[in-house]
Amino acid sequence: QLVESGGGLVQPGGSLRLSCAASRFSVSGNYMSWVRQAPGKGLEWVSLIYIDGSPYYAASVKGRFTISRDSSKNTLYLQMNSLRAEDTAVYYCARVESNYWRFATWGQGTLVTVSS
Amino acid sequence: DIQMTQSPSSLSASVGDRVTITCRAGQSISTYLNWYQQKPGKAPYLLIYAASSLQSGVPSRFSGSGSGTDFTLTISSLQPEDFATYYCQQSYSIPWTFGQGTKVEIK
Repeated sequence: QLVESGGGLVQPGGSLRLSCAASRFSVSGNYMSWVRQAPGKGLEWVSLIYIDGSPYYAASVKGRFTISRDSSKNTLYLQMNSLRAEDTAVYYCARVESNYWRFATWGQGTLVTVSS
Repeated sequence: DIQMTQSPSSLSASVGDRVTITCRAGQSISTYLNWYQQKPGKAPYLLIYAASSLQSGVPSRFSGSGSGTDFTLTISSLQPEDFATYYCQQSYSIPWTFGQGTKVEIK
């Protein structure tokens, strides 16, 4: 139901845009989020976009990452700029159910590696 | 930020065992606590939300309890497919935060 793409190898200071295509539900009609997981580490919430379009970010990415969506393509995006080595992770998109704000549906993840 | 602390970090158990994992929040989060299971190379999977509500489709051997700062996830009879890493997550306030994970391994 959620398929991420756009990951890859990028140099420090570079940019990358992740995509998350949804099927069987509307991205614009749901709360959507990005969660990442560094290699061998735990889960870290990255960003959330409300149904009304309001964005929220973790402090570690605020000012560098931008969450957005395209209703015509039913796709969620994460624009990542000024990338650092510590941004290396698998990035998951997730549909959030507002009843107790739970990550109810997850994509398979896309790996971002920041290295020179 | 609300810190979430799980214990133990790992445990070894046998099929059929009762397993309990604990999650403690750095401040009261009411029942805004969710539990996820993650298998190697796979995305997390929602098990429990609102501390004790079973997500649709999740086997009844999984249960959750707690409120305020202390929570538990219990697997009543461990099955082979339950060997995985489990994470708690608070959804009381942004930034949402996760526990560090508990790896359940085969004894």
